[in-house]
Amino acid sequence: GAVVSQHPSWVICKSGTSVKIECRSLDFQATTMFWYRQFPKQSLMLMATSNEGSKATYEQGVEKDKFLINHASLTLSTLTVTSAHPEDSSFYICSARGNRVGNQPQHFGDGTRLSIL
Amino acid sequence: DAKTTQPTSMDCAEGRAANLPCNHSTISGNEYVYWYRQIHSQGPQYIIHGLKNNETNEMASLIITEDRKSSTLILPHATLRDTAVYYCIVRVEFGGSQGNLIFGKGTKLSVKP
Repeated sequence: GAVVSQHPSWVICKSGTSVKIECRSLDFQATTMFWYRQFPKQSLMLMATSNEGSKATYEQGVEKDKFLINHASLTLSTLTVTSAHPEDSSFYICSARGNRVGNQPQHFGDGTRLSIL
Repeated sequence: DAKTTQPTSMDCAEGRAANLPCNHSTISGNEYVYWYRQIHSQGPQYIIHGLKNNETNEMASLIITEDRKSSTLILPHATLRDTAVYYCIVRVEFGGSQGNLIFGKGTKLSVKP
């Protein structure tokens, strides 16, 4: 089945550091990728939607200058958390959808656990 | 998007069928019912989806009522590895336009030996 790979699996870094998370679709071309965030014991919250070659659309309350999203190719999207602080510590999950017309499911990566000290 | 209502938690004995209900009384005619699950500390895993007919795959069966206002996900022989949070989501057909999955709180299924 479709596979979405996310890297790294976990990151621990100091406050003020910028962290980049990669999301790759391994066996399909993903025209649309999604970034979610999940805090402990809560559900997934959509942060932004990105289409290949265009700017990402951010959900209300998500700072676009804080969470930089790049979707430069049909198989790769990156999320950069700039100047991360402890409150940015969370589980970040990417998702991808293929470009075939018609109904198809959205597939998810295994997430990146980010801990800011 | 139509909202869904699921029980907060359910228990199931190992080897028995797990039946997870979902209410989606305001579903529109062009909205599909999707089921995902999330095992602890992992990303959500796609299970199954359907529009109005019952569906079955290697993981589960999806039963949608005739009026489409509710559905049931059936895991025929639950194992301990099926312990997870199960999300029922309704969404218009993908493809063409942007779309995304909006997650509710889901049902925490605990399979017990």
